[in-house]
Amino acid sequence: KQEVTQIPAALSVPEGENLVLNCSFTDSAIYNLQWFRQDPGKGLTSLLLIQSSQREQTSGRLNASLDKSSGRSTLYIAASQPGDSATYLCAVDTGGGNKLTFGTGTQLKVEL
Amino acid sequence: DVKVTQSSRYLVKRTGEKVFLECVQDMDHENMFWYRQDPGLGLRLIYFSYDVKMKEKGDIPEGYSVSREKKERFSLILESASTNQTSMYLCASRDPQGAHYGYTFGSGTRLTVV
Repeated sequence: KQEVTQIPAALSVPEGENLVLNCSFTDSAIYNLQWFRQDPGKGLTSLLLIQSSQREQTSGRLNASLDKSSGRSTLYIAASQPGDSATYLCAVDTGGGNKLTFGTGTQLKVEL
Repeated sequence: DVKVTQSSRYLVKRTGEKVFLECVQDMDHENMFWYRQDPGLGLRLIYFSYDVKMKEKGDIPEGYSVSREKKERFSLILESASTNQTSMYLCASRDPQGAHYGYTFGSGTRLTVV
């Protein structure tokens, strides 16, 4: 059974800092990995999707990497801003699109 | 961009009521999903549908049913609501043929059963 772990569970950083969020998964037979952002009481917003054949994806200040063999992904946020404060979730697809397993998230707070 | 719309942001229902949660997507996606999200448990898949009138049980289908009569609409039904179904419910859609292959989520429905 696929298990997804995110470390740390919570993180507080000063504005402007570069930071890394970690995601690990137990079964390397994945189709893709997706990073989401969730604001309090809201739905999920897709940030980046990495196909199993890819090593990384970039969008603006965000960069996500994938190392399938070691079962790890990282989300790098450059020059963090207070507006980046949210919970970040990673999810791996192991069912050809019909089975998404989520981590429990990293709650990020960026302080002024 | 794909838009997934959940009809209600907040709902309060009484124990034993039949509850309908509606989800509509506007991009002709074949796959649609219902998740619930609870503190400490994360997101758990209730049901999914890979096409009209097709449905598959997820990890926690007990107490729920679904309906997909049209491609754009996927309804979650709580046959007889109970307090342990108080939760945040999230709908998602996905195009298995599209270049993106990722999931798009709605904004969620916070359901309270009293």
